[in-house]
Amino acid sequence: EAGVAQSPRYKIIEKRQSVAFWCNPISGHATLYWYQQILGQGPKLLIQFQNNGVVDDSQLPKDRFSAERLKGVDSTLKIQPAKLEDSAVYLCASSPPVSGSYEQYFGPGTRLTVT
Amino acid sequence: AQTVTQSQPEMSVQEAETVTLSCTYDTSESDYYLFWYKQPPSRQMILVIRQEAYKQQNATENRFSVNFQKAAKSFSLKISDSQLGDAAMYFCAYRRSGANSKLTFGKGITLSVRP
Repeated sequence: EAGVAQSPRYKIIEKRQSVAFWCNPISGHATLYWYQQILGQGPKLLIQFQNNGVVDDSQLPKDRFSAERLKGVDSTLKIQPAKLEDSAVYLCASSPPVSGSYEQYFGPGTRLTVT
Repeated sequence: AQTVTQSQPEMSVQEAETVTLSCTYDTSESDYYLFWYKQPPSRQMILVIRQEAYKQQNATENRFSVNFQKAAKSFSLKISDSQLGDAAMYFCAYRRSGANSKLTFGKGITLSVRP
């Protein structure tokens, strides 16, 4: 079974530029998550999708961050304009549409450096 | 709000020895799940072990086991017969029961294994 795919793996941009990250979840997984992981900290949930609807975006800085999930499958996360404090690893995860512990499967992440 | 606390930022263990990583959490919920995730230097997060709060028996997965103390809100991870490949960041995480509940992570602990 293929895992969660993310691209690019690394990105360096200057502040005030825009950037987009892409995520392809495991096939059949209804729920998709985007996390921000700042160096030395645990991941923080930015947004959660159930199919193509948003379940939780309470911690998404909506003035600069946006996300969409196309046809309930792939997702993109965009930052415009980027700030220095956005430097982090952006993790995508997905979980299957079954009840229980809702185990999340993580992608390799995109390391963003804003200079 | 739920919080997860990992107070030890770093730990070191000799190869083949046993190490215990600590985690405490705060919640008013009675039904929830607890997890330990491992994040190696390649940064792909993988699930190590999970514990359902309604189960009294501590979860075990090969060399990994937990000590779940529900009343004390404590959830420690024991790694037996430590191997060089166990070196990674370990995150404790909490999720209340329910379809759209989010995963809350601790800050993580860096485990090094001495040969």
